[in-house]
Amino acid sequence: GDSVTQMEGPVTLSEEAFLTINCTYTATGYPSLFWYVQYPGEGLQLLLKATKADDKGSNKGFEATYRKETTSFHLEKGSVQVSDSAVYFCALSGSPGTASKLTFGTGTRLQVTL
Amino acid sequence: DAGVIQSPRHEVTEMGQEVTLRCKPISGHDYLFWYRQTMMRGLELLIYFNNNVPIDDSGMPEDRFSAKMPNASFSTLKIQPSEPRDSAVYFCASSLKKISGYTFGSGTRLTVV
Repeated sequence: GDSVTQMEGPVTLSEEAFLTINCTYTATGYPSLFWYVQYPGEGLQLLLKATKADDKGSNKGFEATYRKETTSFHLEKGSVQVSDSAVYFCALSGSPGTASKLTFGTGTRLQVTL
Repeated sequence: DAGVIQSPRHEVTEMGQEVTLRCKPISGHDYLFWYRQTMMRGLELLIYFNNNVPIDDSGMPEDRFSAKMPNASFSTLKIQPSEPRDSAVYFCASSLKKISGYTFGSGTRLTVV
């Protein structure tokens, strides 16, 4: 079945550092890929998405490129801020037979310090 | 757009009691999902509906859990009787179409003592 593997956290960075959170997936067909962010005490918010190979999703300075050859969708940001501290979830959907279900990774906690 | 609205935000109940969680999806969205989040298991899909019809309830952990969607603007998740291991944050999410991505509510934090 479909699965998403994320790097373990927490990831601790200083403000203005470069961020990479790795995400790889296993799926049949051509899934759509997503990154969600969860701030403390809140629900998940869609951060960015990509629906086909080589697409790049971007939002709020974050980027991720759909790499079919490596089955990856790594999240990057050039300069993190304290306000980026949150839990980040990689997810996929759209594999044949799975209808609308999103399969989530376990989440990666990011802590940004001054 | 008010987003997905869940109530209550927090619920504390005693073991054995019935608990009902409520969700109002975004108007016009035709998919509704119930998730449970815990530290041990992460995000688990419990059940989802399409056009008010339950499509997949394979994630519902036990017969103690039930979900309904009587109309396009309202859904409930009921636990009867509740147990301490049901303590978690329960999220409702809605979606307009298959690959548009979900909009999540703020969740209900359930504590069963």
